[in-house]
Amino acid sequence: DAGVTQSPTHLIKTRGQHVTLRCSPISGHKSVSWYQQVLGQGPQFIFQYYEKEERGRGNFPDRFSARQFPNYSSELNVNALLLGDSALYLCASSSRPSGNVDTQYFGPGTRLTVL
Amino acid sequence: DQQVKQNSPSLSVQEGRISILNCDYTNSMFDYFLWYKKYPAEGPTFLISISSIKDKNEDGRFTVFLNKSAKHLSLHIVPSQPGDSAVYFCAASPTGQGAQKLVFGQGTRLTINP
Repeated sequence: DAGVTQSPTHLIKTRGQHVTLRCSPISGHKSVSWYQQVLGQGPQFIFQYYEKEERGRGNFPDRFSARQFPNYSSELNVNALLLGDSALYLCASSSRPSGNVDTQYFGPGTRLTVL
Repeated sequence: DQQVKQNSPSLSVQEGRISILNCDYTNSMFDYFLWYKKYPAEGPTFLISISSIKDKNEDGRFTVFLNKSAKHLSLHIVPSQPGDSAVYFCAASPTGQGAQKLVFGQGTRLTINP
């Protein structure tokens, strides 16, 4: 069975640009969460979507947005990129909307570099 | 505001010995704790968890201990093996908030020496 997949693997952008990151959850999973991992830090929660509805949002500016599609895949959008947005962006999928957080499975991440 | 802290950025242990990784938290609303293992170019992989109603959970070579009064948890790996070399993240979940939100520590890089 395929795990969580993310695309692209790596991405280089310049300040002020916009970026879209994509995530496909494990088959049958309806929940997708996004995390940002800055170098030397642990992942930080950005969003969770379940059945196309936003279930939770972390402490990130409005430049960050996301959506979930009918097939449960998800996009994370970041506008007006800043140097500080350079990070590994992780997607996690789960079959549940809440609780049982150890049922989350992480993808390999997208490495975003902002120049 | 670092609510979950792993104060040791790195740890080196000899193969066969015990590895002990530590984690402290500040938020009393956390009631579920997890350890993740991460290899380069891979996402974090769930290792073991513990609910706040327990003080110990064991799974093979891995044991997690929780001291609620001290807001401290630790992961014991015994015996340590070369394949255990990775970055280990402690995470906490404020359940009851209607979302699967994990709060991670900064990570500890464990190196097992032959």
